[in-house]
Amino acid sequence: LAKTTQPISMDSYEGQEVNITCSHNNIATNDYITWYQQFPSQGPRFIIQGYKTKVTNEVASLFIPADRKSSTLSLPRVSLSDTAVYYCLVGVFSGSARQLTFGSGTQLTVLP
Amino acid sequence: NAGVMQNPRHLVRRRGQEARLRCSPMKGHSHVYWYRQLPEEGLKFMVYLQKENIIDESGMPKERFSAEFPKEGPSILRIQQVVRGDSAAYFCASFGQGNTGELFFGEGSRLTVL
Repeated sequence: LAKTTQPISMDSYEGQEVNITCSHNNIATNDYITWYQQFPSQGPRFIIQGYKTKVTNEVASLFIPADRKSSTLSLPRVSLSDTAVYYCLVGVFSGSARQLTFGSGTQLTVLP
Repeated sequence: NAGVMQNPRHLVRRRGQEARLRCSPMKGHSHVYWYRQLPEEGLKFMVYLQKENIIDESGMPKERFSAEFPKEGPSILRIQQVVRGDSAAYFCASFGQGNTGELFFGEGSRLTVL
C-alpha cells in the first residue's frame, strides 16, 4: 500500500506559481497519482491525475519523474480562492481495487 | 460533486444512540468509498464497497460500525452506540467501472455526538 508524504502547509502570494510535492516511495506499477482539492466543509474535488511524465489541464500541471517515487502539483498564478487543502492520492481503480489512502494533505494559504 | 448525494448533512446524536448515514452514488456508479475526517485532520479510509459486496473494510472499527451497499438504494454507514469520539465528517465517494480514476465526493455528513 503506497504511503504518501506531503508538506503540512505552504504559504504563497497571489499571482505566484505554487509547487506541492508528494513522496510515494513504494508506489506500485499499476498505481495512478491523483490530486484533490478540499475547501472547508466541502468534499474533496478532483484536480488532476497522471501515471508518468507530465500532465496538464486547465487548472494545474502534474510532474512525475521517471522513477515515479514522487510527484509535483503545479498551480500557476494562484489566487486567494486557491486557499485550500491539497491531497495526493496513490492507488489503482479497478474491479479489484483496494483501499485508496489519502495523505495528510497540504494546507495552502494564498496571501494578498 | 453534486452527483453524489449524502444525507443527512448534519446529524446530532446523544451518546449511546445510533447514527445512520446515507450515500447515493452518481448514476451508473457501482463503487463506493467511505472516509472519516476529524476536525483539522485528513481523510481516513474506512470501507470500500461494490453493489452488495464489502470489498475492503480494513479501515473501519471492528465494533459498532457497519456498512452496506444493497442492490437497490443508497449505501449506508451505520454507527451503533455512538461516543463523542465518533464526532466527525463522514464523506462518501463513488466511481464507475472503467472511468479515468476520478473519485466523486459528496458534501459529507457531519455527525456531532453530545
